[in-house]
Amino acid sequence: AQSVTQPDIHITVSEGASLELRCNYSYGATPYLFWYVQSPGQGLQLLLKYFSGDTLVQGIKGFEAEFKRSQSSFNLRKPSVHWSDAAEYFCAVGGGSTLGRLYFGRGTQLTVWP
Amino acid sequence: EAQVTQNPRYLITVTGKKLTVTCSQNMNHEYMSWYRQDPGLGLRQIYYSMNVEVTDKGDVPEGYKVSRKEKRNFPLILESPSPNQTSLYFCASSLSGLAGGHNEQFFGPGTRLTVL
Repeated sequence: AQSVTQPDIHITVSEGASLELRCNYSYGATPYLFWYVQSPGQGLQLLLKYFSGDTLVQGIKGFEAEFKRSQSSFNLRKPSVHWSDAAEYFCAVGGGSTLGRLYFGRGTQLTVWP
Repeated sequence: EAQVTQNPRYLITVTGKKLTVTCSQNMNHEYMSWYRQDPGLGLRQIYYSMNVEVTDKGDVPEGYKVSRKEKRNFPLILESPSPNQTSLYFCASSLSGLAGGHNEQFFGPGTRLTVL
């Protein structure tokens, strides 16, 4: 069965500190992986996506993520967090074996201390 | 401006009173989808449509109906809403539904529904 696990419900970091949000997936075929961000009261915005090729992908707002097939992980990172990064972050997986389907994790709420 | 619009943005209704949440996109996208977001559960897919007249169930289709009569619109219908359908609903679209949304899914702003 396809699923996404985000082990951290809530993370708090200080502004300027580095950030890593964890994402593990279970998928029966080659996964297509996404990270979305949801600011308070807003819809979801795509940060980055991985389909194939280089396992380190760069996204918007200075975020990057690394696909590790052996660990079934797609962790999101940022070297220096800004107060405006406070939001909820969702990892999602889709792929060729499940046309039209996108499976989301439960989300990680990020709080940034000034 | 390329966008996905939803109406209404907020709705309070009572059990059993039929309602429709509209979704429209102006990007000529083939694929459209509905999700519901509940605290601690993330987003769960309700229904999706790969193209006009083609719809399919997601993870939580019970109590919902959809139709795709034209490319730009994908309304969500609750024939007899119940309190457990109180949720935040998102519509999304992408260029194609191939590979689970191989192309980026663009999300609407959300509709917050309360069923009393």
